[in-house]
Amino acid sequence: QKEVEQNSGPLSVPEGAIASLNCTYSDRGSQSFFWYRQYSGKSPELIMFIYSNGDKEDGRFTAQLNKASQYVSLLIRDSQPSDSATYLCAVSKGVGYGGATNKLIFGTGTLLAVQP
Amino acid sequence: DGGITQSPKYLFRKEGQNVTLSCEQNLNHDAMYWYRQDPGQGLRLIYYSQIVNDFQKGDIAEGYSVSREKKESFPLTVTSAQKNPTAFYLCASSRGAGGTQYFGPGTRLLVL
Repeated sequence: QKEVEQNSGPLSVPEGAIASLNCTYSDRGSQSFFWYRQYSGKSPELIMFIYSNGDKEDGRFTAQLNKASQYVSLLIRDSQPSDSATYLCAVSKGVGYGGATNKLIFGTGTLLAVQP
Repeated sequence: DGGITQSPKYLFRKEGQNVTLSCEQNLNHDAMYWYRQDPGQGLRLIYYSQIVNDFQKGDIAEGYSVSREKKESFPLTVTSAQKNPTAFYLCASSRGAGGTQYFGPGTRLLVL
């Protein structure tokens, strides 16, 4: 079982629709969860992070975390063609001295295609 | 203008050659990281450094070496021992060792 799993997609949604991206993780002790967006040929850019169960909203983006189900999702409202990219889910794991450093475990990403 | 810079954007390596990838940040971040990204795979951690003059191996450190002589700089050397070096190399930094990580633009390494 992979530590972080995502459906590779592509997930195709029409412009203006809600895109729902999902991620599951295996380490029940994970504390921090991140969503990065990666355009083709570019580096990942942080969209959101979430630490607590429930929803966290930032503009058109909502991250949802359910630690009991080991599930984190990203909702994109009013999807735009410019949202077309690969979305990477990352889960932090403490490493190093006293577990003080965060190592990010990445999923393989979900390719989102927003159709005009 | 704060950020993370990586150079070069593209790098070509000949067989048996060592090459060094540069990573510089002016964000005053303490921790720095190197990841490798292969097609269809997630990013994998090569090395990380929590403070100057200290660094630790990640999951795939074999064939790589790093140094952290200055807070701003964390260069990665891909040695001839790395048999499959073709990949997209990403440097990241975070304010503290447990902080949110931000990525540089990446270096694409190709083998001639």
